[in-house]
Amino acid sequence: GAGVSQTPSNKVTEKGKYVELRCDPISGHTALYWYRQSLGQGPEFLIYFQGTGAADDSGLPNDRFFAVRPEGSVSTLKIQRTERGDSAVYLCASSLAGTSGGAYNEQFFGPGTRLTVL
Amino acid sequence: SQKIEQNSEALNIQEGKTATLTCNYTNYSPAYLQWYRQDPGRGPVFLLLIRENEKEKRKERLKVTFDTTLKQSLFHITASQPADSATYLCASRGNQGGKLIFGQGTELSVKP
Repeated sequence: GAGVSQTPSNKVTEKGKYVELRCDPISGHTALYWYRQSLGQGPEFLIYFQGTGAADDSGLPNDRFFAVRPEGSVSTLKIQRTERGDSAVYLCASSLAGTSGGAYNEQFFGPGTRLTVL
Repeated sequence: SQKIEQNSEALNIQEGKTATLTCNYTNYSPAYLQWYRQDPGRGPVFLLLIRENEKEKRKERLKVTFDTTLKQSLFHITASQPADSATYLCASRGNQGGKLIFGQGTELSVKP
C-alpha cells in the first residue's frame, strides 16, 4: 500500500504568518510522530499521537506549535506567528504501535515538508 | 539528558571496502538501537534494529553490533557500493514511550 504522505512538499511563508502541515499515515498505523530536521542534523522529536490523543508533546518548542489528529488518522501540525528559526524540514512518521519495542516500533517516514520562513 | 552521538565527519571510502559507522549513547540505557538510511530530500528509511541483549545482527551486507559496556553501536556495510552513499542515522527510543532520539547522522560516500 501507500506510504506516509505529507503535503505540501514545500512551503514558503513570511514571518508572522500561520501555517498548517498535513500528514497522512499508513493505513492501520495507530502511532503518529512529528519530527523537525535542520540541515546537517538528525530528526528532532516534536509530538507523538497514539490514536487521537497526544501521548507525548514534550518536544514542541513553545505554544506557537500545536498538532491535532481528530480521527486517529490524518494529522495536522499548526504553527502560529512563524519565525525564521522555524525554517526546517518537518517529518511525519507512523508505526503500528507506539510503546512496544521491537519491530512494531519501526517508524515509517514521509518525505517531509520543507518550511521556509522569510 | 538522553543523548546519541554519531561521527559528524563524512566518511569517504572506496567501492568494495567495508564502511564502519559509530553511534555512542550517554545518560541512559536504551532497550534497543535502530539504524536508518536517509537520502537527500527524503525521509529516513528503517534498516535494522538491535536489542540490548543481542551482540550482533546481520541483514545481507549490513551488520550491527551493540556493546552495552562501551555504550556504543557499530554499523558495518561490507562490499560497499556507490549506491550505499547516503546519510545513516542511529536512533533509540526515549524513556517516555514511542518517540525516537536520533543522532546527527553520518554521511557516507562510496567512490567507484
